[in-house]
Amino acid sequence: TQLLEQSPQFLSIQEGENLTVYCNSSSVFSSLQWYRQEPGEGPVLLVTVVTGGEVKKLKRLTFQFGDARKDSSLHITAAQPGDTGLYLCAEGGGGADGLTFGKGTHLIIQP
Amino acid sequence: AAGVIQSPRHLIKEKRETATLKCYPIPRHDTVYWYQQGPGQDPQFLISFYEKMQSDKGSIPDRFSAQQFSDYHSELNMSSLELGDSALYFCASSKEGQPQHFGDGTRLSIL
Repeated sequence: TQLLEQSPQFLSIQEGENLTVYCNSSSVFSSLQWYRQEPGEGPVLLVTVVTGGEVKKLKRLTFQFGDARKDSSLHITAAQPGDTGLYLCAEGGGGADGLTFGKGTHLIIQP
Repeated sequence: AAGVIQSPRHLIKEKRETATLKCYPIPRHDTVYWYQQGPGQDPQFLISFYEKMQSDKGSIPDRFSAQQFSDYHSELNMSSLELGDSALYFCASSKEGQPQHFGDGTRLSIL
């Protein structure tokens, strides 16, 4: 089973600042998903990256997939309180396979 | 757009009782997945079904069983409940090979 390491585990910053969180593995990812989860709710899919070196943008969120497909990052520009949540990276899910999640980054954006 | 529907949203049981959780996937999705998320933990994959057949198996205890019905809804049956079974249980659905979309979960509390 592939182990995903996410860093930092906790991050608290002021509104308007920029931040980057990371997801790493010792093995190559077949594909990688980023999810955001709020307390008491299910994870919400943000993006799927498949190709090494791929960059995807979702408004103020920029997702990068490493060239070797062993790491990924999520960069948030001008963070807002609504960005607060648990950011999870996940691998797998090919066919009908289950996902393996990282432990997540708990992000708090203070007004 | 229609999302994954889970019922009940909250369930309280006592030790050694049984529980049944239900999941209604997004229309035209043919694959369902079950996950367990303990307090402060990442979601752990339990089991998945594709076209009503078990597809992938994760860390599902022998006391739990699941099935997918002809209308594609799924049920997770849990017996001999233990205190450690207290968790959020998520169902996700997808078209085969596509990203998984999660419901808002069932919060199971064992007294």
